[in-house]
Amino acid sequence: DVKVTQSSRYLVKRTGEKVFLECVQDMDHENMFWYRQDPGLGLRLIYFSYDVKMKEKGDIPEGYSVSREKKERFSLILESASTNQTSMYLCASRGQGYTGELFFGEGSRLTVL
Amino acid sequence: GQQVMQIPQYQHVQEGEDFTTYCNSSTTLSNIQWYKQRPGGHPVFLIQLVKSGEVKKQKRLTFQFGEAKKNSSLHITATQTTDVGTYFCAGPYSGSARQLTFGSGTQLTVLP
Repeated sequence: DVKVTQSSRYLVKRTGEKVFLECVQDMDHENMFWYRQDPGLGLRLIYFSYDVKMKEKGDIPEGYSVSREKKERFSLILESASTNQTSMYLCASRGQGYTGELFFGEGSRLTVL
Repeated sequence: GQQVMQIPQYQHVQEGEDFTTYCNSSTTLSNIQWYKQRPGGHPVFLIQLVKSGEVKKQKRLTFQFGEAKKNSSLHITATQTTDVGTYFCAGPYSGSARQLTFGSGTQLTVLP
């Protein structure tokens, strides 16, 4: 079975804290994605990685960075969390190439106080 | 930049009624995908359409890709309570074809 695992389902952090969201996939997929989901706005792409150490900015990269040191792991980093980063964060992966379905993790709900 | 617009944002139907959600892109898409997200769950892939004018069916679900490859629709015949959820379309981003841009979704409520 295909599996994308996000490290935390729920996190509560304080403004200014550094936050790490981890995502691991077991399908040997080249492509990995980080989206945030907010009511009425759908899924907005934060960052995308198509290979180890390779990344592209998505629609809303400001305030975020990413790390892909190993193929199976894609981390989202909030250097200094702010209240407007309170959201649901979804990680996804896809096999090689430009098309094909995304496999999503269960999501990480982050609350920044 | 490219936008993928989806309407309606919300739809309430009586069980047994039909439901349609529409997706429109500002640019031509090489392909379009549809996902379903159940309440409290994560998006799950339903289908991918590639050809102009393509129509695909999955039981009570019918998916269409427009002739100009700029719009798509998902139609559900005789909705059931199990159809409840949010339906998203998604297409390749014009700036980088590897990326996938999602529409804002249509939240379907089915009243028993």
